[in-house]
Amino acid sequence: QITLKESGPTLVRPTQTLTLTCTFSGFSLNTRGVSVGWIRQPPGKALEWLALIYWDDDKRYSPSLQSSLTITKDTSKNQVVLIMTNVGPVDTATYYCTHNSGFGEVFSDYWGQEALVTVSS
Amino acid sequence: SYVLTQPPSVSVAPGQTASITCGGSHIGSKSVHWYQQRPGQAPVLVIYNDADRPSGIPERFSGSNSGNMATLTISRVEAGDDADYHCQVWDNRSVIFGGGTKLTVL
Repeated sequence: QITLKESGPTLVRPTQTLTLTCTFSGFSLNTRGVSVGWIRQPPGKALEWLALIYWDDDKRYSPSLQSSLTITKDTSKNQVVLIMTNVGPVDTATYYCTHNSGFGEVFSDYWGQEALVTVSS
Repeated sequence: SYVLTQPPSVSVAPGQTASITCGGSHIGSKSVHWYQQRPGQAPVLVIYNDADRPSGIPERFSGSNSGNMATLTISRVEAGDDADYHCQVWDNRSVIFGGGTKLTVL
């Protein structure tokens, strides 16, 4: 059974760095074809993809946010970490960690429980 | 960047068929995936690779993709189908989402 759980601060001050951790079980990020990613959803708005990391440590980032994002994995801990620098109020959102399948044509077949993050002074 | 266009809302009576569209340039050449998001919950994959259903998704959910339009069809709509639906593709090393469609079951 695949599960993912996000953890991190619920409140972040503007200009600070946000660090979110995804702890997963039921699969290995060493398995060919598997990736783990992050997606967010501002209140009342559409889903927005942020980043993903593949089993072979290849990484992809949203072009519009690439300069502020870093994604890493620790396969020994079954964790993926997303770092977002210099956050602002527009980064207030629910953040999801996802298990992805598909070679090239990636899709998210398992989602975490969600982590609500508010950016405010 | 690639843009996916969905109608903001669709309404349907129980027992009828709902069609939710997702438009994009030559989207027929891409694999389209659909997610259902009930209020206050995380999205759930309901269709992947245009028309495949994950285990546990009812046969009432089906998908098609051709030309510049992909469509999610929900047959015999039930009250529990009242939710937001999001389409998604992979383009130029990025995941792209549509704006989402609110399906209202009357």
